[in-house]
Amino acid sequence: QKEVEQDPGPLSVPEGAIVSLNCTYSNSAFQYFMWYRQYSRKGPELLMYTYSSGNKEDGRFTAQVDKSSKYISLFIRDSQPSDSATYLCATPEAGSYQLTFGKGTKLSVIP
Amino acid sequence: DVKVTQSSRYLVKRTGEKVFLECVQDMDHENMFWYRQDPGLGLRLIYFSYDVKMKEKGDIPEGYSVSREKKERFSLILESASTNQTSMYLCASTREGGYGNTIYFGEGSWLTVV
Repeated sequence: QKEVEQDPGPLSVPEGAIVSLNCTYSNSAFQYFMWYRQYSRKGPELLMYTYSSGNKEDGRFTAQVDKSSKYISLFIRDSQPSDSATYLCATPEAGSYQLTFGKGTKLSVIP
Repeated sequence: DVKVTQSSRYLVKRTGEKVFLECVQDMDHENMFWYRQDPGLGLRLIYFSYDVKMKEKGDIPEGYSVSREKKERFSLILESASTNQTSMYLCASTREGGYGNTIYFGEGSWLTVV
């Protein structure tokens, strides 16, 4: 079983929609969760990170962790065409600097 | 601004050629990584290095080797390129200090082996 599962999509939404991107993980020892954004033909860049459970908000983006169900989410409010990218969730094992990545969800925001 | 630079963005090589992919970071990071990214398979770790001249195998090291002679530079070597190594290769780095440190990626190197 893969340690981080992510629906690859693709996901297509109209501009202004609320987007929900999700991952599940299997190892309850995971405590730190990241979302990376990757534009076409570019390297991933860190978008947000959260520690343990709860929400973290940054502008139009909200990252949420539910440790009881091993579920992590990224919400994008008022989505823009510039949000069109692949979004990858990632988590390191405790004490490790290596990340386990989900396969990524490709998002298209249609004007 | 932090920077991981992959000198070759697009390469076309012939089967059997030796291929060098170079990566340089300017952040004085201890840890450096090479990943490959393929549709449907996501990011897979090939090799990583936590110090000069040190290397560890990742999930898919077969057919690859690496070299880290200087802290800022981490090279990926394909000794004899094959068509199944056609992929996007990503270099990344992070500082020492345990989990939670941001990993910074380069722009990627697109390798086509014909």
